[in-house]
Amino acid sequence: EVQLVQSGAEVKKPGESLKISCKGSGYSFTDYWIGWVRQMPGKGLQWLGIVSPANSNIRYSPSFQGQVTISADKSISNAYLQWSSLKASDTAMYYCATVDDSGYSYGGFPIGAFGTWGQGTMVTVSS
Amino acid sequence: DIQMTQSPSTLSASVGDRVTIACRASQGISRWLAWYQQKPGKAPKLLIYKASSLESGVPSRFSGSGSGTEFTLTISSLQPDDFATYYCQQYNGYSPWTFGQGTKVEIK
Repeated sequence: EVQLVQSGAEVKKPGESLKISCKGSGYSFTDYWIGWVRQMPGKGLQWLGIVSPANSNIRYSPSFQGQVTISADKSISNAYLQWSSLKASDTAMYYCATVDDSGYSYGGFPIGAFGTWGQGTMVTVSS
Repeated sequence: DIQMTQSPSTLSASVGDRVTIACRASQGISRWLAWYQQKPGKAPKLLIYKASSLESGVPSRFSGSGSGTEFTLTISSLQPDDFATYYCQQYNGYSPWTFGQGTKVEIK
């Protein structure tokens, strides 16, 4: 069974750094790109970007480029989302998800829906 | 970016009702559209991909249709487990992926 398990909830102060993780199991981790999605309290879903665990290629949403860093370490089947300086507005639930293989790609990036989701990591930034 | 607009934002329905949720894209996206169901405190769950393909394990009362800019999600006979929020998402190759704002299906 394909499964993604995310790291636990975090409470941080503004200006602090943070790296949250997403561990894949039940499949070959390099077979599927991993995406990150933000959900602010009481709000909808926002796409942050995707990373290839096979070669660490990354596609960011222009809205989040420069605001977060996405990475992956295939040796330990982990994908990561990190911030160098958190803001209160980063308070949200963050989900990772596998990108299904539709058999199509564009510009070297996959075209696929988010098939399997992690349970989410709540990040709270407050002074 | 491609804007995804769902309607209605909230829908009140009864068990057994046929329910339809619409999703409109601001530009053509072929059939690169997915539908997700999210219950409070839970991660979203994929229901439909490529506009009309049913994800494995999803009940057949869920169906999707459309192409280009107009899409619909239909629940043929609403069940108690279906009260949730539904999101559409476009994932075409040439534009950042975006979600609709969500449609909350409530008990009438």
